[in-house]
Amino acid sequence: EDQVTQSPEALRLQEGESSSLNCSYTVSGLRGLFWYRQDPGKGPEFLFTLYSAGEEKEKERLKATLTKKESFLHITAPKPEDSATYLCAVRTTSGTYKYIFGTGTRLKVLA
Amino acid sequence: GAVVSQHPSRVICKSGTSVKIECRSLDFQATTMFWYRQFPKQSLMLMATSNEGSKATYEQGVEKDKFLINHASLTLSTLTVTSAHPEDSSFYICSATSGMPGELFFGEGSRLTVL
Repeated sequence: EDQVTQSPEALRLQEGESSSLNCSYTVSGLRGLFWYRQDPGKGPEFLFTLYSAGEEKEKERLKATLTKKESFLHITAPKPEDSATYLCAVRTTSGTYKYIFGTGTRLKVLA
Repeated sequence: GAVVSQHPSRVICKSGTSVKIECRSLDFQATTMFWYRQFPKQSLMLMATSNEGSKATYEQGVEKDKFLINHASLTLSTLTVTSAHPEDSSFYICSATSGMPGELFFGEGSRLTVL
């Protein structure tokens, strides 16, 4: 069964304290792995797409990496405004459009 | 990135009434749109998938007669919650994709409160 698991469930960091969020996946075939940021009461905001193992994408303090089993979202020197829930989703080869979402990591960055 | 607009952002209605939520892709043609429901501190729960001009595909456990989905054009999909009850109160979010390369873009979400 296709599955996406995110860890940790929640993370509290001091401002400037770098860390990584994990997204592990078990799917029959990967068509893409996506990272989103969601603020309370808002829809998810697209961050990155990764398609193949070894691929990396960067945007400001965020860097996403992908292996054959998992993806990491590295946050370097986070600021309080980085506080949000980060969602990972996988598009599988099952069916035309099938996206499986993880349960998210709630990140809180303290000033 | 592509823009998806969802309206209204908040709606309060009385039990038994129907509510329509619109989802528009503003700068791309959305071949497929998805509707999600999200409970507090939980992830997205897929309700249905809709393709322009065809009937929506509902996930198991989602009542198609209660949650009517119409994808009339390549830029507009609507979700109508019929005969709403307090248990239908939730955060509803739509997303859209143009197909390639496959990113999903989300609307801002609609908070429904049924009194």
